[in-house]
Amino acid sequence: NAGVTQTPKFQVLKTGQSMTLQCAQDMNHEYMSWYRQDPGMGLRLIHYSVGAGITDQGEVPNGYNVSRSTTEDFPLRLLSAAPSQTSVYFCASRTGQGVAISGYTFGSGTRLTVV
Amino acid sequence: GNSVTQMEGPVTLSEEAFLTINCTYTATGYPSLFWYVQYPGEGLQLLLKATKADDKGSNKGFEATYRKETTSFHLEKGSVQVSDSAVYFCALSEVANQFYFGTGTSLTVIP
Repeated sequence: NAGVTQTPKFQVLKTGQSMTLQCAQDMNHEYMSWYRQDPGMGLRLIHYSVGAGITDQGEVPNGYNVSRSTTEDFPLRLLSAAPSQTSVYFCASRTGQGVAISGYTFGSGTRLTVV
Repeated sequence: GNSVTQMEGPVTLSEEAFLTINCTYTATGYPSLFWYVQYPGEGLQLLLKATKADDKGSNKGFEATYRKETTSFHLEKGSVQVSDSAVYFCALSEVANQFYFGTGTSLTVIP
């Protein structure tokens, strides 16, 4: 099925460890984003990309890196995990075409716990 | 700046009750407005959207009308079902890739 695929679904890290959350979409969407979801705070934008080779920071970028070498993939790297990064992470993509802004397609999320 | 404010939850309703979840927004221009739904353990799914004033978005019995004069986009459903239990997010987007989400409203429907 077409959509946004995130892996892993669950992850436990120790403080200071690094890891990469994977995100892939097969809809040829130009725009991709990473959000984190925390209780009572809705979704907050971490990083986004408007096309291959182009990335930019969102609202809460500290502690995270991204790259976009292909249209399909947009991995999120945690450089040195901290307990404050315990959260649910969502990758999302959408087309940039058309006058009306289209909605996002979301992945099913990665639940990350940092101990 | 842009922002979205949703009514606080949680909301608990009996099956077949009428649902309203309030959403108001602040924007500098003419945003597109969205409602997303998140079922337990899943990602957000686009429920409906409206791209200009007085547009009505609708899907699965849910409706929302883009009201520019009151800067609102309230979600309504005439008769909720147990399967509608989820968290609902209001969102706006004014420029490419800049989406602003509300904090979400949890709905529980009891038989």
